[in-house]
Amino acid sequence: AQKVTQAQTEISVVEKEDVTLDCVYETRDTTYYLFWYKQPPSGELVFLIRRNSFDEQNEISGRYSWNFQKSTSSFNFTITASQVVDSAVYFCALSEVSAGGTSYGKLTFGQGTILTVHP
Amino acid sequence: NAGVMQNPRHLVRRRGQEARLRCSPMKGHSHVYWYRQLPEEGLKFMVYLQKENIIDESGMPKERFSAEFPKEGPSILRIQQVVRGDSAAYFCASSPLAGPNYGYTFGSGTRLTVV
Repeated sequence: AQKVTQAQTEISVVEKEDVTLDCVYETRDTTYYLFWYKQPPSGELVFLIRRNSFDEQNEISGRYSWNFQKSTSSFNFTITASQVVDSAVYFCALSEVSAGGTSYGKLTFGQGTILTVHP
Repeated sequence: NAGVMQNPRHLVRRRGQEARLRCSPMKGHSHVYWYRQLPEEGLKFMVYLQKENIIDESGMPKERFSAEFPKEGPSILRIQQVVRGDSAAYFCASSPLAGPNYGYTFGSGTRLTVV
């Protein structure tokens, strides 16, 4: 069974600090996808990134960067120079692709990390 | 191109009443997933539907909950005889084809409060 663990329940930083949100996953499949979503106080889910298991390149998008390491089953998310608007709950999620190459792809979410950025 | 539309945004029901949550997927998307987010928890998969078919309902409680995605119209998540423990945010997501490589678009959720 697949599992996603976000060990950090809450993180509090001061604006302009860098912050890393950890995500560790478990899966028996060799093909899978990893996601990060942001849930701001307004409650909607905002897609941030999707990464497949064959692409271990790190990715940077503005102040956001992701570090995918299959050897440690981790997909960590770093926000550089954090801002108050980054305050939200962040979810890491995993979706397996079955051995047959098809999947209905339901997502397994971590418990989420509450990030609070203080001015 | 409207996103995934969920309504209502907020729903209050008394214990024992029925709750109907609607999800209109993005245009061209025929795959719908429902998730439930209990207070201070992550999202949990409930059910996956394609048009007129339930593909996977492994996350649905065995009683009182049902889902449908008719040929015409939105997907409906129905909760009969609601109890306080049903209070949660219910999200739906849609995708154009099966599989995570096609991505998912989430709606804004329906917050159900049972009083």
